[in-house]
Amino acid sequence: GAVVSQHPSWVICKSGTSVKIECRSLDFQATTMFWYRQFPKQSLMLMATSNEGSKATYEQGVEKDKFLINHASLTLSTLTVTSAHPEDSSFYICSARVGASTDTQYFGPGTRLTVL
Amino acid sequence: KQEVTQIPAALSVPEGENLVLNCSFTDSAIYNLQWFRQDPGKGLTSLLLIQSSQREQTSGRLNASLDKSSGRSTLYIAASQPGDSATYLCAVLIDNYQLIWGAGTKLIIKP
Repeated sequence: GAVVSQHPSWVICKSGTSVKIECRSLDFQATTMFWYRQFPKQSLMLMATSNEGSKATYEQGVEKDKFLINHASLTLSTLTVTSAHPEDSSFYICSARVGASTDTQYFGPGTRLTVL
Repeated sequence: KQEVTQIPAALSVPEGENLVLNCSFTDSAIYNLQWFRQDPGKGLTSLLLIQSSQREQTSGRLNASLDKSSGRSTLYIAASQPGDSATYLCAVLIDNYQLIWGAGTKLIIKP
């Protein structure tokens, strides 16, 4: 089956630094990728929807200038957490959709971000 | 290696019926188990989260149970409605905070 990878699987950084998380579809082309965030003991929350070659659509309450999403190719989307702070510590997961006319999504294993 | 299996892969039932979706995992060392709903063309919606120390969670017409020792979880949907049609996924959170996903059950509720 289709595989989505994320890198890194976990990262620890200092407050004020920026962190980039990659989401790759390994054996298929993903026209749409979704980014989610999950705080400890809470449910997964959708942050943004990213379509290849266009600007991401952010959910209400998600700061687009803080969470930069780039989807420049059909196999790679990146999420950059700029000027990270401890409250950004969370579990970030992406998913990728094969095409516009399908509802099949494949999910990455997630990235654990800890900001000190 | 943790593996998550969902049975059945697809299910079609008449409106109004109660139904059960199954999720099994091979390693009982999990932090939590979650059930999600995926609508066509959209992202995930989290339905229920069960911590490893819990046995069940309820939200409206949904009830999820967890038997960690046997590696099983069920999602019970009462009085199904056409709007419940979607793909339902379960996922377990394991060491290193990795989510291991099931392949999903595609549910169709016929009016």
